[in-house]
Amino acid sequence: KQEVTQIPAALSVPEGENLVLNCSFTDSAIYNLQWFRQDPGKGLTSLLLIQSSQREQTSGRLNASLDKSSGRSTLYIAASQPGDSATYLCAVEDTDKLIFGTGTRLQVFP
Amino acid sequence: DARVTQTPRHKVTEMGQEVTMRCQPILGHNTVFWYRQTMMQGLELLAYFRNRAPLDDSGMPKDRFSAEMPDATLATLKIQPSEPRDSAVYFCASGLENVDTGELFFGEGSRLTVL
Repeated sequence: KQEVTQIPAALSVPEGENLVLNCSFTDSAIYNLQWFRQDPGKGLTSLLLIQSSQREQTSGRLNASLDKSSGRSTLYIAASQPGDSATYLCAVEDTDKLIFGTGTRLQVFP
Repeated sequence: DARVTQTPRHKVTEMGQEVTMRCQPILGHNTVFWYRQTMMQGLELLAYFRNRAPLDDSGMPKDRFSAEMPDATLATLKIQPSEPRDSAVYFCASGLENVDTGELFFGEGSRLTVL
């Protein structure tokens, strides 16, 4: 059974720092991996989708990498801003359905 | 601005009552997912559909939960009878074709409180 783990569970950093969020999964036979952002009381917003054949994806200050063989993905956020404060979830596609990690709650303070 | 629409946004009910949550997927999307989010369990998949056909509802308690897609523009999740442990945020998400070829788009959720 696929299990997805995210560390750290929570992170608090000052504005301007570069930071890395980690995601690991137990079964490397995945189709893709997605990173989502969730603001309090809101739904999930897709940030980046990495297909199984890809190694990384970039969008603005965000860069996500995927290493299927080791069962890991990282989300790199450059020059963090208070507006980046949210919960970040990774999810792996396992036989047509997404399996989610428990998320990293990020707080960026001015 | 295409988006997944869920109703109601908030629902407070008493134990034993029937609850129906509705979802309008993005027009043209052919896969619809129902997830439940709690602090303890995180996001759990309850059921999903492709082209309106249920593909997997193994995450759903069958004795009280049911999910349907009466047509391509409406998905419903019903709980009867509701219990306090059903209190959670229920999310609907839709996507196009296989998840492995595209992104999944989430609604804002229905927050259910069962007293």
